[in-house]
Amino acid sequence: DAKTTQPPSMDCAEGRAANLPCNHSTISGNEYVYWYRQIHSQGPQYIIHGLKNNETNEMASLIITEDRKSSTLILPHATLRDTAVYYCIVRVYGGNAGGTSYGKLTFGQGTILTVHP
Amino acid sequence: NAGVTQTPKFQVLKTGQSMTLQCAQDMNHEYMSWYRQDPGMGLRLIHYSVGAGITDQGEVPNGYNVSRSTTEDFPLRLLSAAPSQTSVYFCASSYSPGSSGNTIYFGEGSWLTVV
Repeated sequence: DAKTTQPPSMDCAEGRAANLPCNHSTISGNEYVYWYRQIHSQGPQYIIHGLKNNETNEMASLIITEDRKSSTLILPHATLRDTAVYYCIVRVYGGNAGGTSYGKLTFGQGTILTVHP
Repeated sequence: NAGVTQTPKFQVLKTGQSMTLQCAQDMNHEYMSWYRQDPGMGLRLIHYSVGAGITDQGEVPNGYNVSRSTTEDFPLRLLSAAPSQTSVYFCASSYSPGSSGNTIYFGEGSWLTVV
């Protein structure tokens, strides 16, 4: 599984855009990039995912570089409720069941995003 | 639509006791999995299932058993609890990872303490 690298912490002012970077330089062609966040040890909450094109949904935008070695999650207007640990994850699709990694999400340490007033 | 439901939310066990963590999903997902989360370790995959009657081991399966008799349910059994199994457990489900990228949904977690 490709490994991801994220800054341990970031700050953002409320109402401003939060841009969270992620490095996944060893990503392979059949690995998607996923972003999740976790608030107060609740279950990880899905944000967005993509393969090679930029993606946008009601929560965020995902920008993936052309070489797919890095990506950026953008929260366009951060609020205090966006304070959380954000995880950038890669997940293999395709292949056959069996083995210890099929369908596995490989979580790193994540980025602690603090949104302040 | 309840999504992924886990019970119990909190549990204290004595060493050597057994228990079952329940997980149910109502999205007709083929793939279900159990993770544990420990401080500084991230989430680690315990077991997974690709459909009713089919289960497989993840990266940290020792001390845990699973079964999948229905599409909806994927219980995790601790046969003889040990203090090292004190952790937060998350159940997750999705459509098959064998096709394209699918959204993976997590339950709210089960906090287990073994004393």
